[in-house]
Amino acid sequence: ETGVTQSPTHLIKTRGQQVTLRCSSQSGHNTVSWYQQALGQGPQFIFQYYREEENGRGNFPPRFSGLQFPNYSSELNVNALELDDSALYLCASSSAASGREETQYFGPGTRLLVL
Amino acid sequence: DAKTTQPPSMDCAEGRAANLPCNHSTISGNEYVYWYRQIHSQGPQYIIHGLKNNETNEMASLIITEDRKSSTLILPHATLRDTAVYYCIALFYSGAGSYQLTFGKGTKLSVIP
Repeated sequence: ETGVTQSPTHLIKTRGQQVTLRCSSQSGHNTVSWYQQALGQGPQFIFQYYREEENGRGNFPPRFSGLQFPNYSSELNVNALELDDSALYLCASSSAASGREETQYFGPGTRLLVL
Repeated sequence: DAKTTQPPSMDCAEGRAANLPCNHSTISGNEYVYWYRQIHSQGPQYIIHGLKNNETNEMASLIITEDRKSSTLILPHATLRDTAVYYCIALFYSGAGSYQLTFGKGTKLSVIP
């Protein structure tokens, strides 16, 4: 069984640029959630995708957007990068079923540095 | 989701049991208690979760008090590789896949040789 994978592992961008991060969900999982983790803090929920639609969003501005593809992989796009966007971006996948708890499994993360 | 409170740090001698407490006094009857850990700069690793009953798996045991206001994660024989930040999370499932994990600051567990 393949776990959650993310690419790239590290990325350096400059302020104002745009970035796309990618996530492949674990085999059999249909839901992808994205989290941002600033240095020294716990992960913060950005949004979740289920059946290719956004299914819940945290307190992040619209310049954070995402996609989910038919194979359940996902992208996180961030426009107009700011210095505070420097963080570890985590993807988690799960297999959602109505009314039943499903554990989220995390990938290794993408470390983004904005200069 | 209910707020959880954990001590900021704990030490444990290698080979001894590590007991990590978590307070969740406002937890509702439908909220699960989840534990994750994060080793430096890696993605969080799922450990265990439970609703009412105590749970055990190959990694750890989860003891939930009868009133569900607190729980304890037990690592039976801590090793140096267990040094990590441990997060206790109360999670309510509101619908099909519509849920998020709310991380606090966690407990930094240091396993000492």
